[in-house]
Amino acid sequence: GENVEQHPSTLSVQEGDSAVIKCTYSDSASNYFPWYKQELGKRPQLIIDIRSNVGEKKDQRIAVTLNKTAKHFSLHITETQPEDSAVYFCAASILSGSNYKLTFGKGTLLTVNP
Amino acid sequence: GAVVSQHPSRVICKSGTSVKIECRSLDFQATTMFWYRQFPKQSLMLMATSNEGSKATYEQGVEKDKFLINHASLTLSTLTVTSAHPEDSSFYICSASRPEGAFFGQGTRLTVV
Repeated sequence: GENVEQHPSTLSVQEGDSAVIKCTYSDSASNYFPWYKQELGKRPQLIIDIRSNVGEKKDQRIAVTLNKTAKHFSLHITETQPEDSAVYFCAASILSGSNYKLTFGKGTLLTVNP
Repeated sequence: GAVVSQHPSRVICKSGTSVKIECRSLDFQATTMFWYRQFPKQSLMLMATSNEGSKATYEQGVEKDKFLINHASLTLSTLTVTSAHPEDSSFYICSASRPEGAFFGQGTRLTVV
């Protein structure tokens, strides 16, 4: 089955700096790669995703890149703010219709220091 | 707003009893839902795939007789933790898919005492 590796496990940055989180996946058939933000005790929130037919996607301060050949994808957050502090999970999926069966990375605890 | 609702958000039960957790898709039909388990400071681990009108599919190592899943309608899946023990204490969370992605319920914090 799919295996997703995520690095780093913790990341501390100063407010205004950029943060980068990287993930690799093992199953070349995976074609959907979402990123979730989870605050303590709350549900994961989808923040951005990318499908295998594109290499990059951007939404305001957040961007995701995908390298299918190398089987890795990354989350980039620019101009970080304290409210960006949370655990971020990457995931990979083989889409079946519109069913998203996700395999998650282990998560990255991002701390943005004021 | 939330598209997936999970109930209850917290439950404390005695060892040996059973607990039912509900997951509802709001304003859309979900023929498939997924149940995950999350231990403190860890990732979400897929437990099973809930299929409307048919048996659930369990991931390797998950006891189907312990974690009973029923998906009786297109908007409701239930997870019943049977004969709960303290090691079953965890955060259980469901997801349902819309075309734009997978969305999660708010999770259920189960504590078995």
